[in-house]
Amino acid sequence: GAVVSQHPSRVICKSGTSVKIECRSLDFQATTMFWYRQFPKQSLMLMATSNEGSKATYEQGVEKDKFLINHASLTLSTLTVTSAHPEDSSFYICSAQPGQGAVYGYTFGSGTRLTVV
Amino acid sequence: EDKVVQSPLSLVVHEGDTVTLNCSYEVTNFRSLLWYKQEKKAPTFLFMLTSSGIEKKSGRLSSILDKKELFSILNITATQTGDSAVYLCAVSDSWGKLQFGAGTQVVVTP
Repeated sequence: GAVVSQHPSRVICKSGTSVKIECRSLDFQATTMFWYRQFPKQSLMLMATSNEGSKATYEQGVEKDKFLINHASLTLSTLTVTSAHPEDSSFYICSAQPGQGAVYGYTFGSGTRLTVV
Repeated sequence: EDKVVQSPLSLVVHEGDTVTLNCSYEVTNFRSLLWYKQEKKAPTFLFMLTSSGIEKKSGRLSSILDKKELFSILNITATQTGDSAVYLCAVSDSWGKLQFGAGTQVVVTP
């Protein structure tokens, strides 16, 4: 149980285009999901907290107009990287906490490797 | 400012050795400390610790939390090459946000 599915796993896009990444909780409902970014050889950095039915909460330094988050249902959150630039190339990963998380902690999606050329 | 510090940043051991990874933290509104193993893609969950002094074990891995001294250790005994990975420590606050340490890269040589 407690599976989070993330798509796509890898995407290459041209500079200036937008890319949408989906994060789904498959066997549980998640009112809150989290989006992280990980640059090579670095740890995961929280970008934003996605809240079902309300606006996302962004961490300091993360542009909300560039990284659009939509959490339209209890099982789906999307992250859209708008007008992507090469410096946005990174590993993006979402997570959610099933129930109280007493057993599973936070479950992560498989991640999306974004390359902007 | 909240911070999570892991040490060492990397280490190389031989198969069969025991390794001890450290994680210290300063986080307001602490809720839990979590350990993850990351190989090539997403981190996989190892342990979640909320109470001091209670060791959690899973096979050759074990972990314990000291909430007074604000640190945790992750032990791996009888290491195998499959244990080679980056081990991430993260601390959750009361809102559910995770703050990660930089990770410890473990390389187990045959």
